[in-house]
Amino acid sequence: DVVMTQFPLSLPVTPGEPASISCRSSQSVLHTNGYNYLDWYLQKPGQSPQLLIYLGSNRASGVPDRFSGGGSGTEFTLKISRVEAEDVGVYYCMQGLHSPTTFGQGTRLEIE
Amino acid sequence: QLQLQESGPGLVKPSETLSLTCTVSGGSISTDNYWGWIRQPAGKGLEWIGGIHYTGTTYYNPSLRSRVTISVDTSKNQFSLKLTSVTAADTAVYYCGKHEMWLVSLHFWGQGTQVTVSS
Repeated sequence: DVVMTQFPLSLPVTPGEPASISCRSSQSVLHTNGYNYLDWYLQKPGQSPQLLIYLGSNRASGVPDRFSGGGSGTEFTLKISRVEAEDVGVYYCMQGLHSPTTFGQGTRLEIE
Repeated sequence: QLQLQESGPGLVKPSETLSLTCTVSGGSISTDNYWGWIRQPAGKGLEWIGGIHYTGTTYYNPSLRSRVTISVDTSKNQFSLKLTSVTAADTAVYYCGKHEMWLVSLHFWGQGTQVTVSS
């Protein structure tokens, strides 16, 4: 299985400040079609996960533009330009190029 | 807007079979997409169980493959999960979702259903 490693696992942030989460895959998730099969999800307390970024760098419908995703191959980053209180929750990266689909351990973002 | 809804027993006895159904509304299940099952034990991370295409092609997590069957019923716009010989370790919230491309990009998720394994 492809192992997804996220860091940090805990991220205290002051509102209005930027935040960044890294995700590393044990194998490349870059498809021959040029897309990275790597997503970012946010699971808010008591809710289902919601897709934030798909195929490495594409914002999902309704996702604020303060969220951005980047990287390629085995190294990826989710950035939040200015954290808001509603961004609290656990962030997961997920690869879907190699079966089985695998998730990172999750990064808990909390407001300081 | 596509919606997914999980249903099934919330309590299953050890050694028995867990059975869940995901009903898709607002769109057809007969599209060139994989439909997946994901679970999450309390306080822990997400685990992909497997996925199915409407043609019946399946992919399973090797960690569960010997106990898992995912099936699809296009006439009912549903797909289902069966997990045999359950133990307390299978206690979790179970989600269904739609992969937009291959086995990636779950744009749509169900609300999740809690399944507890206990006698």
